[in-house]
Amino acid sequence: DVVMTQSPLSLSVTPGQPASISCKSSQSLLYTDGKTYLYWYLQKPGQPPQLLIYEASNRISGVPDRLTGSGSGTDFTLKISRVEAEDVGVYYCMQSIDFPLTFGGGTKVEIK
Amino acid sequence: QITLKESGPTLVKPTQTLTLTCTFSGFSLTTNGVAVGWIRQPPGKALEWLALIYGDDVKRYSPSLNRRLTITKATSKNQVFLTLTNMDPVDTATYFCALRRHDGSLYYFDYWGQGTLVAVSS
Repeated sequence: DVVMTQSPLSLSVTPGQPASISCKSSQSLLYTDGKTYLYWYLQKPGQPPQLLIYEASNRISGVPDRLTGSGSGTDFTLKISRVEAEDVGVYYCMQSIDFPLTFGGGTKVEIK
Repeated sequence: QITLKESGPTLVKPTQTLTLTCTFSGFSLTTNGVAVGWIRQPPGKALEWLALIYGDDVKRYSPSLNRRLTITKATSKNQVFLTLTNMDPVDTATYFCALRRHDGSLYYFDYWGQGTLVAVSS
């Protein structure tokens, strides 16, 4: 199985300040088609997860450009340029390069 | 408008079989690249992928639960089913169904149901 490791476990951020979440995979997520199959989700309290970023760096429509997915191979980052109250929740990365699909353990983002 | 909704029992006893239904609208499993998956989340814990079914009936399962899981579909009724046998208290979780689409880009789980909490207890 592809193991997905997220860090940190939690972040407490002052509004307006940046935040960064790391996701590392145990094998490359670059497929032979040239795409990288890494996804980022945000799960707000009491809600299902919502897809933010697909194929490592593409924002889903409606996701603010304060959120940026980057990385390649086995190392990926989700950056929030200026954290706002609506960014609170648990962020998960997920890979689909191979089955079984696997999620990271999650990173909880809170507002100071 | 795409929607998915999970339904099923909220409480099952140990050793029983759980059957959940995902009823969806706004898309068809006959569309190329479309699949529906099941993901669960124990209280306070991370997400765990369980199974996926494509329109051509290809199925994928989590190896750790493969022997206990079955995913099926009723395409004309816009429903996908998940059965999990021999339920145990560790299977207590919120169970989600979600949509996978591929139309040049691969959108894994861009739409989710609200989830259904299933408790396993005698």
